[in-house]
This record gives sequence, C-alpha cells and structure tokens, in this order.
Amino acid sequence: KQEVTQIPAALSVPEGENLVLNCSFTDSAIYNLQWFRQDPGKGLTSLLLIQSSQREQTSGRLNASLDKSSGRSTLYIAASQPGDSATYLCAVCSGAGSYQLTFGKGTKLSVIP
Amino acid sequence: DVKVTQSSRYLVKRTGEKVFLECVQDMDHENMFWYRQDPGLGLRLIYFSYDVKMKEKGDIPEGYSVSREKKERFSLILESASTNQTSMYLCASSSTPPAAFFGQGTRLTVV
Repeated sequence: KQEVTQIPAALSVPEGENLVLNCSFTDSAIYNLQWFRQDPGKGLTSLLLIQSSQREQTSGRLNASLDKSSGRSTLYIAASQPGDSATYLCAVCSGAGSYQLTFGKGTKLSVIP
Repeated sequence: DVKVTQSSRYLVKRTGEKVFLECVQDMDHENMFWYRQDPGLGLRLIYFSYDVKMKEKGDIPEGYSVSREKKERFSLILESASTNQTSMYLCASSSTPPAAFFGQGTRLTVV
C-alpha cells in the first residue's frame, strides 16, 4: 500500500527566504503527483501537478520536482512571503487505472514578516 | 476555472440524525471523492465514484453511504450521525487522467 510522508511537519522561516518542502512515497509506480495548499479551515487548492514522465513543473515562485526512482518530490518556494503561510500537502496517484490519491499529512509553513 | 461546491461550510447536527452533505462540480469530471480530515490523521478517503450510479468504498466507509444520480453531483450520507463523525469533510472531483480539485470543505459538528 502506498504511503506518503512529508517532513518536516512544521517549518518557520523569515520573509524573503527560499525554502524546500519534502515529500516521499514508498511505491515508485505512480501516475502523477500533486501539490496542494490548504489555509486554516478551508479546502485544498491545487498548486502543481507533475506527471510521472516529467521531472519538474513551475508556476510563478513555485517549482516542484519529481524523482520517481527514489520516491521523492520537492516543492521549492522562492522569496517567501507571509501570504505563503499555509499547510502544504502532496498527494500521489498510483497507477493509471486508479483514481485514488494518497496524501501526506502536510507541512505547516509559517513565514514570519 | 474548475469549481467544486459543497452545500454548507458549517453544520451542527444531533446524534442519531441523518445528515446529507452535497457536492457539485461544473467540469464534467468522471471521478468524485469524499474525504474526511482530522488533526494528526490527515485526509482519509471515505467513498469515491467514477461514473453515475457507481461507487467504491475508500479506507473508512463505515457509517457512511453515498449517492451519485447525476454526473455533477455526489452526496455523502451519514445514516445516523455520531460524535466520532465530527470532522472536516472535503469533496473533490478529477478528470481522467486524474488531477484533483477540491471544494471549500464542510465543518460538521455532531452534538
């Protein structure tokens, strides 16, 4: 059964710093990996989707990379801002015939002004 | 933009009540999901559906049922609400191949 781990569980950084969030998964036979953002008490907002054949995706100050063979993905946030404070979750879709996502428990990011 | 809309942001229900949580998506997605999210446990899949009138159990289906009579609408039903079903409920839809989009969540409190 696929397991997804996110380390650290919480991270606090000063404004302007570049940072990396980590996601690891146990079964490398994935179809895609998706990064989400969740603000307190709200739903999940999709940030980036990486197909298994891709190595990275970029959107603005966000860059997500995927190393399927080692079971790892990273989310890089450049020039962090207080508005980036949220919980970031990664989710793995395992196999083209499966529609289910397996989620990590998230990293809670605080960007200090 | 994809829109997934959950009928309520907050609900308070009494133990034993039958509770309906509604979810509507506007992107003609085949797949729809219901998750619950609890502190320390993360998101757990309750049920999902890959077509009208089709449903599959997720990891924690006990105490829940679902209905999908139309492609755009997926309902979660708590047959007899209990206090341990107090949680944040999240609905999602996805295309094939899957890229998931979530609703705003329903915070359910059972008293």
